[in-house]
Amino acid sequence: DGGITQSPKYLFRKEGQNVTLSCEQNLNHDAMYWYRQDPGQGLRLIYYSQIVNDFQKGDIAEGYSVSREKKESFPLTVTSAQKNPTAFYLCASSRGQGANQPQHFGDGTRLSIL
Amino acid sequence: AQSVTQLGSHVSVSEGALVLLRCNYSSSVPPYLFWYVQYPNQGLQLLLKYTSAATLVKGINGFEAEFKKSETSFHLTKPSAHMSDAAEYFCAVSYGSARQLTFGSGTQLTVLP
Repeated sequence: DGGITQSPKYLFRKEGQNVTLSCEQNLNHDAMYWYRQDPGQGLRLIYYSQIVNDFQKGDIAEGYSVSREKKESFPLTVTSAQKNPTAFYLCASSRGQGANQPQHFGDGTRLSIL
Repeated sequence: AQSVTQLGSHVSVSEGALVLLRCNYSSSVPPYLFWYVQYPNQGLQLLLKYTSAATLVKGINGFEAEFKKSETSFHLTKPSAHMSDAAEYFCAVSYGSARQLTFGSGTQLTVLP
């Protein structure tokens, strides 16, 4: 079955450490997204990419970085500059760049601070 | 800027009762509207979408939503709640030239036996 795979499901970060969250999709979708979810705040966009080797900042990009070297992969790095990284991180993809295209989501990675 | 407001962060209904989850959007151009459902520790699953065709949209699991331009609303309904409907529901909006979805803050639905 096609879908989006996020790993790991749970991740712990030490102070001053960078960590990378994996997102892989086999839906042949062009666009991919990273969201951060905090209780009571809905989803906030961190970064998005509409084509390989190109990506754009979302609303809360500070302290995060991404790459898009392959169509199916869009890893997110949470850097030590992100002072409050504890959250649930969701990766999504969509078929095209049109605003009417629904996004498909992975099952998330929960990041906590040690 | 696009935005969406979900009225009521928590809604409780009895099993078998009507479910009504409210969503209002702000827009100066025709929007595309979506409802998603999220179960604990999982990603979001698309329930239904409005993309300027029929104003009454039917989705999965017996849910439907009606686009009302005059009220800038896209409320989600289900005639009879089931225990398995307990989850968090998100309304989201995008526009013709936009490259991203804007999500509401979510409504947690509790179904009482």
